[in-house]
Amino acid sequence: NAGVTQTPKFRVLKTGQSMTLLCAQDMNHEYMYWYRQDPGMGLRLIHYSVGEGTTAKGEVPDGYNVSRLKKQNFLLGLESAAPSQTSVYFCASSVGTAPLHFGNGTRLTVT
Amino acid sequence: GENVEQHPSTLSVQEGDSAVIKCTYSDSASNYFPWYKQELGKGPQLIIDIRSNVGEKKDQRIAVTLNKTAKHFSLHITETQPEDSAVYFCAARDTGRRALTFGSGTRLQVQP
Repeated sequence: NAGVTQTPKFRVLKTGQSMTLLCAQDMNHEYMYWYRQDPGMGLRLIHYSVGEGTTAKGEVPDGYNVSRLKKQNFLLGLESAAPSQTSVYFCASSVGTAPLHFGNGTRLTVT
Repeated sequence: GENVEQHPSTLSVQEGDSAVIKCTYSDSASNYFPWYKQELGKGPQLIIDIRSNVGEKKDQRIAVTLNKTAKHFSLHITETQPEDSAVYFCAARDTGRRALTFGSGTRLQVQP
């Protein structure tokens, strides 16, 4: 039972490049979330999903897209990366809205 | 949406002392308040939570108190140990988004 697994762990992008972050959970959770963590700002919600095939915007959705084609996977896409998207990205899942189970994060640097 | 403020941003205590971290929230409809501990290089992990129908909850050396009228809640750690050193986040359920809104975090350092 791996819990929540995020891929990749680290990535460096150049401005304008695109990439997809993958989150996979093996707990059969309905809810999945993407947060970003920046120094002094805590964790801010980017997008979330309350079930397979559904997604919704969070607090800071601009510049990101998501997809939940399978219940166990939640993908976060950056179509044209910007330096402001340099951050640590965390995926989480839950039964209902809490408690959240987090992955170990993806550290993304955009140069 | 919900807004959560957390203080202090850093806290240094001597081993064996108590530590208190405070949070306030804005949405009076919020009904769930968890606390997470984040160790270096890891994702946050739930350490304790409280629901709005309860004023206090304890789990060994950790306790959380909730004042719904004042819209604030606090984390209390007694007899601190070096392994308590980490970043702690409070959160409140955003009833509009069905998600958690987090505070900005407190870096706790326990000096041996």
